[in-house]
Amino acid sequence: KQEVTQIPAALSVPEGENLVLNCSFTDSAIYNLQWFRQDPGKGLTSLLLIQSSQREQTSGRLNASLDKSSGRSTLYIAASQPGDSATYLCAVKAGGYQKVTFGTGTKLQVIP
Amino acid sequence: GAVVSQHPSWVICKSGTSVKIECRSLDFQATTMFWYRQFPKQSLMLMATSNEGSKATYEQGVEKDKFLINHASLTLSTLTVTSAHPEDSSFYICSARGGEAGQGGPLHFGNGTRLTVT
Repeated sequence: KQEVTQIPAALSVPEGENLVLNCSFTDSAIYNLQWFRQDPGKGLTSLLLIQSSQREQTSGRLNASLDKSSGRSTLYIAASQPGDSATYLCAVKAGGYQKVTFGTGTKLQVIP
Repeated sequence: GAVVSQHPSWVICKSGTSVKIECRSLDFQATTMFWYRQFPKQSLMLMATSNEGSKATYEQGVEKDKFLINHASLTLSTLTVTSAHPEDSSFYICSARGGEAGQGGPLHFGNGTRLTVT
């Protein structure tokens, strides 16, 4: 059974800092990994999708890396802004057909 | 980009009644739709997967007779919570994926429905 863990569970940083969010998964035979942000009481916004054959994806100030062999992905946020405050979730599609397992989430607060 | 519309965004109902939640893909054909629920301060939990025209596949522990899923077209899936009870109060989110079933394309999410059962 795939287990997805995110560390830290919560993070508070001053504006402007670069930061790294971590996602670990137990079954390395993944199909893809996707990072999302979730604002309180809202749905999910897709940030980056990394296919199993890729090592990283970049979008603006966001960079996500994938290391299948170690079962890890990191989301790097450069020059953090208060608008980045949200919960960040990683989701792994692995093994069987279509099933996606979500991580536990990292709640980020960027202080002005 | 791909847009998934979920309606209603919030609903309050009395215990014993049924509630229907709609999930529509607005600008793409969703061959597969997923329904999740999220309890406060917890991550999303997959409830069921549905392919257009087929019966939904439910996750272990999810009652299929209580959570009725219909994926009648490539742009619409509905989740009906039947005989709702207060413990069904939760945040329900749908997601959709286009392309051929089984492909690793991105998931697109609705904005969720906050269900409160009194």
